[in-house]
Amino acid sequence: QSALTQPASVSGSPGQSITISCTGTSSDVGAYNYVSWYQHHPGKAPKLMIYAVTNRPSDISNRFSGSKSGNTASLTISGLQAEDEADYYCTSYTGINPYYVFGPGTKVTVL
Amino acid sequence: QVQLQESGPGLVKSSQTLSLTCSVSGGSINRGRYYWSWLRQPAGKELEWIGRIYTSGTTIYNPSLESRVTISLDTSKNKISLTLSSATAADTAVYYCARLVDVKLFDCWGQGTPVTVSS
Repeated sequence: QSALTQPASVSGSPGQSITISCTGTSSDVGAYNYVSWYQHHPGKAPKLMIYAVTNRPSDISNRFSGSKSGNTASLTISGLQAEDEADYYCTSYTGINPYYVFGPGTKVTVL
Repeated sequence: QVQLQESGPGLVKSSQTLSLTCSVSGGSINRGRYYWSWLRQPAGKELEWIGRIYTSGTTIYNPSLESRVTISLDTSKNKISLTLSSATAADTAVYYCARLVDVKLFDCWGQGTPVTVSS
């Protein structure tokens, strides 16, 4: 299985919106609506931001949203804030062992 | 709120066995429809799923590691263990434990513990 593809970095000014893409294949992202997104501040536990492509845990701000088109999933952060600066990882269920594939992570910088 | 914390030696000699523990607080590891997983991330590389264990003790491992890995539950201590035998430099990584919901979603993670395998 190949890893998912993410841009290495994305940046934006406070208040702006940014979108992070996550491209897989018809065997993972395209096949299942089980794409998740995690926020990771180094040294801390990764935090679930979006699951099942579009769903947001109850404690996550509605500034975070997810979508999918074909083999590419996306995470959009609206109203960018300084606290959003972190690494963001996507993952997809694949249905066959190994069951999970991950992206390399995207570093979000708030200018 | 469930919290996970990995622990173990930060340095392992090549060819020896890497052993890590994940302590779970805020919930019992043998309740609910949860699986418990280990993952790892070498520096500059993607996360890699190592394997998972269900509350019943049933395990499934990544085929690339299956011959060397064992995941087990210690329900009396509310801990999940990972052992990886015949360690090499390629096993150097940050190791994470995570809770897996309905097989498809890692909803809760530990902060990870770095392990270096040296010769």
